[in-house]
Amino acid sequence: EVHLVQSGAEVKEAGQSLQISCKASGYHFFSYYIAWVRQRPGQGLEWMGVIYPHDSGVTYSPSFEGQVTISVDNSITTAYLQWANLKTSDSAVYYCARLQMKRGVRFDPWGQGTLVSVS
Amino acid sequence: SYVVTQPPSVSVAPGQTATIACEGDNIGSTPVHWYQQKPGQAPVLVVYDDDARPTGTPERFSGSNSGNTATLTITSVEADDEADYYCQVWISSIDRYVFGSGTKVTV
Repeated sequence: EVHLVQSGAEVKEAGQSLQISCKASGYHFFSYYIAWVRQRPGQGLEWMGVIYPHDSGVTYSPSFEGQVTISVDNSITTAYLQWANLKTSDSAVYYCARLQMKRGVRFDPWGQGTLVSVS
Repeated sequence: SYVVTQPPSVSVAPGQTATIACEGDNIGSTPVHWYQQKPGQAPVLVVYDDDARPTGTPERFSGSNSGNTATLTITSVEADDEADYYCQVWISSIDRYVFGSGTKVTV
């Protein structure tokens, strides 16, 4: 069974750095894109970017380009989302999800989410 | 940028049918996917490629997509269907993933 398990909640101050993780299991890690999605409190879902573990190629949403870094460690089948300089506006729940392709491209399954609180 | 619009809320009585629209320019030309999100939980895929159901999605959930509107229909609505629902598309020409604004279904 496919599982994406994310790291735990984080409490940070503005200006600090942060890296959260998404550990994948139950499938061939190299063959599927992984995406990151932000959800601010009471708000909708925002696509941030995707990474292809096979070649570590990354595509960012224009809204998040330069604001975060997405990476992957294939040796431990884990994807990462990183901030160098957190802002209070980064407070949100962050989800990772595996991308599946047939006719279209869908997000399935999702990790449980990581709550990031920045003061 | 491509914009996808959903009604903020839909209210439905138990046993009735809920219909959620997802509007976008010529959205019928691209596959649409639907996610259910309950409070405090991660989204879950309930319909993909316009009208396909993942294993585990009840047959009460169905989808369609034509012209400028995609639709998620929930028949015989149950209390457990109360959740936020999001549509999603992939714009292949610019390699972008777009979520609708979300619809809160109240039973």
